[in-house]
Amino acid sequence: ETGVTQTPRHLVMGMTNKKSLKCEQHLGHNAMYWYKQSAKKPLELMFVYSLEERVENNSVPSRFSPECPNSSHLFLHLHTLQPEDSALYLCASSPGQGPNQPQHFGDGTRLSIL
Amino acid sequence: AQSVAQPEDQVNVAEGNPLTVKCTYSVSGNPYLFWYVQYPNRGLQFLLKYITGDNLVKGSYGFEAEFNKSQTSFHLKKPSALVSDSALYFCAVRDGGNFNKFYFGSGTKLNVKP
Repeated sequence: ETGVTQTPRHLVMGMTNKKSLKCEQHLGHNAMYWYKQSAKKPLELMFVYSLEERVENNSVPSRFSPECPNSSHLFLHLHTLQPEDSALYLCASSPGQGPNQPQHFGDGTRLSIL
Repeated sequence: AQSVAQPEDQVNVAEGNPLTVKCTYSVSGNPYLFWYVQYPNRGLQFLLKYITGDNLVKGSYGFEAEFNKSQTSFHLKKPSALVSDSALYFCAVRDGGNFNKFYFGSGTKLNVKP
């Protein structure tokens, strides 16, 4: 039990589909993150929310749309994805702004684009 | 700009032998350094961190890391490797000017053979 739960664990979708990834944290944290993990590449930070406000958007294509309705939930809405978007998408949370606070990760959603 | 380098894609070690996984970093300002481990089909798990203080940091599962400011390194070590330590290891640095941002290395696969 990591305290950060991601659903679904696996998702296969066509390029014209619309789907959403969900993340829920049970740790009382104030910050939540979306990362993309591709093989043999560093983790790519996509979005950061702090107290439900988006504070980072790392040049992510508009076909990825995040939503943070409250401090416990984070969504990543997907539409018109490309094959190169196939990857493991990881959600993380952290308590807040201090430098000594590590992130807690969910187990990810493995996304495959047909 | 902040960055992290893990020069080895893979490290092989025999069970019972000491292990080292290398990490070098580049930061402007104080370094806030972290190690994470990822097992198959799981998210990243926090192992240990360096913020300030002693250069030898102890963490979970018998791991430790040595901070070396002059060499800008933060190598992960364990005196006696276990087969169950086989996993993917990530070094990360937190942006001292923007605590929302973490920079991860590309990961090192550790193989511990019986």
